[in-house]
Amino acid sequence: EDQVTQSPEALRLQEGESSSLNCSYTVSGLRGLFWYRQDPGKGPEFLFTLYSAGEEKEKERLKATLTKKESFLHITAPKPEDSATYLCAVRLNYGGSQGNLIFGKGTKLSVKP
Amino acid sequence: EPEVTQTPSHQVTQMGQEVILRCVPISNHLYFYWYRQILGQKVEFLVSFYNNEISEKSEIFDDQFSVERPDGSNFTLKIRSTKLEDSAMYFCASSDLQGNQPQHFGDGTRLSIL
Repeated sequence: EDQVTQSPEALRLQEGESSSLNCSYTVSGLRGLFWYRQDPGKGPEFLFTLYSAGEEKEKERLKATLTKKESFLHITAPKPEDSATYLCAVRLNYGGSQGNLIFGKGTKLSVKP
Repeated sequence: EPEVTQTPSHQVTQMGQEVILRCVPISNHLYFYWYRQILGQKVEFLVSFYNNEISEKSEIFDDQFSVERPDGSNFTLKIRSTKLEDSAMYFCASSDLQGNQPQHFGDGTRLSIL
């Protein structure tokens, strides 16, 4: 069964304390891995797409990396406004899939000033 | 920046009633999706729609669900006879191409079934 697992479920950081979120996946064919940010009461907001192992993408304090089994979202010197739930999702490359995303449960990040 | 808009933001309905959730996808997008998120659980795929027909649906999307693109801008999800377990956030998403193009999500409709 295709699975996406995110860890930790929750992470509390002090402002400026860098850390990483993990997304591990067990799928037979990966077409793409997506990172989203979700604020309370809002929809997922697109951050990054990663297509192949070794790829990296950066945006402000965030950097996403991808291996054959997992992806990391590195947060450098976070600020309180980075507090949100970060969702990882994969799109499959087999079984006639037309592009639906399989999501993990997310990591709830809290950054204290 | 273009965005996906959903209405209403909150819908309260009696069990057994029909409900229609509305979405306006980003204007040049061709692929449309509905997802749902039960409180505290993962975002789950319901259905994808392209060229005026369903292209894929999940096991959740049973006969009580239907989707429609009634005009050039709206995309709707209808639940015919709501159940308590249909209570969830429903998200609409759209993308301009298939493949690895990201899906852009609206802020959702919170559906509460009483």
